[in-house]
Amino acid sequence: GAVVSQHPSRVICKSGTSVKIECRSLDFQATTMFWYRQFPKKSLMLMATSNEGSKATYEQGVEKDKFLINHASLTLSTLTVTSAHPEDSSFYICSARDPAFYGYTFGSGTRLTVV
Amino acid sequence: AQKVTQAQTEISVVEKEDVTLDCVYETRDTTYYLFWYKQPPSGELVFLIRRNSFDEQNEISGRYSWNFQKSTSSFNFTITASQVVDSAVYFCALSEKGTSYDKVIFGPGTSLSVIP
Repeated sequence: GAVVSQHPSRVICKSGTSVKIECRSLDFQATTMFWYRQFPKKSLMLMATSNEGSKATYEQGVEKDKFLINHASLTLSTLTVTSAHPEDSSFYICSARDPAFYGYTFGSGTRLTVV
Repeated sequence: AQKVTQAQTEISVVEKEDVTLDCVYETRDTTYYLFWYKQPPSGELVFLIRRNSFDEQNEISGRYSWNFQKSTSSFNFTITASQVVDSAVYFCALSEKGTSYDKVIFGPGTSLSVIP
């Protein structure tokens, strides 16, 4: 089945620094990828839809300048948390639609801790 | 308005008991997909099932079974003879044709603890 690889799985950074999270589709091309955020013991909230070769579409309330998304190829989307603050600490998870299966495959997630 | 409701926040069962996780959804689309995902403590989401709105057949996969009833907008999930490895958070989710299926709306999740 389709595999989505997400790196890093865990990252700790200092306040004010930027962190980049990668999401790769390993065995299929993903023109669209999705970025979610999950707070502890909460559900997944869609942050943005990442479109290959064009600008990402952000959900209401998500700061596009804070969460930069780049989808430069059909297999790679990146989420950069800029000038991170402790309140950005969260579990971030990406997904992609597998066209052969019509379902959504999720990466293993990235646990970001900003200290 | 919440589109996917999972009324049970936490459930605890003793191993080998059967357990049903409830999911009620809301949509105006006639074409949509419903999903169940499992999230173990490791955090990754594990796909369990996808069901389209035109297929109301119930499905069984090993110890797992799903009951889809459009009349009550429910898509319930039953685990038979539960095991400790079933302990996880389970999410029911919905994607609608109206959003080109791109917005997957997750329910709040049900945390299942299976006690040995």
